[in-house]
Amino acid sequence: DTGVSQNPRHKITKRGQNVTFRCDPISEHNRLYWYRQTLGQGPEFLTYFQNEAQLEKSRLLSDRFSAERPKGSFSTLEIQRTEQGDSAMYLCASSFGDGPNQPQHFGDGTRLSIL
Amino acid sequence: AQSVTQLGSHVSVSEGALVLLRCNYSSSVPPYLFWYVQYPNQGLQLLLKYTTGATLVKGINGFEAEFKKSETSFHLTKPSAHMSDAAEYFCAVKSDSWGKLQFGAGTQVVVTP
Repeated sequence: DTGVSQNPRHKITKRGQNVTFRCDPISEHNRLYWYRQTLGQGPEFLTYFQNEAQLEKSRLLSDRFSAERPKGSFSTLEIQRTEQGDSAMYLCASSFGDGPNQPQHFGDGTRLSIL
Repeated sequence: AQSVTQLGSHVSVSEGALVLLRCNYSSSVPPYLFWYVQYPNQGLQLLLKYTTGATLVKGINGFEAEFKKSETSFHLTKPSAHMSDAAEYFCAVKSDSWGKLQFGAGTQVVVTP
């Protein structure tokens, strides 16, 4: 169990650029979640996958955001035409199923800064 | 919809003193509740969870929490604070059958010598 891995850890980009983050979940975890955390707040749910299927998207996920999980393994989160308000920590979590005894395990996040 | 409210955005405790972090939940069904800890520039680490059964839940690093249905509370405690407990703590509830978590706003804990 190597834990949830997220890359890059930090991303600085200019407004209007596109960015892509990657999340590698714990192997054999079929559930994968993306959250966004702004300064001084708790994480907010963005979207989640069961295997390769994206099952729910938050209203926070505008049409500039897209997430994929090809083959049900790693996932990518892309933000197009970044805006100042996109600056945040993007957290990925994974679990095996959604039962109460299967908690979500979090990665260390990708911190996005928009110049 | 299920939600949690954390009372107090900042708590300062002396080393060796009791740590008490408050969390109240809103739920129409028996909730699944969690406490996570976040150190600077890191992700969230699970401290403990309440699902069913025993209402006093013991977690890692000497923390425990008590589920009180009558008070809709799930407060986190540690008898004796250590400098390494300085971090941000989040209470969370599993908000729907799909498993996504609804987090509170967090409580920043500062431990003074």
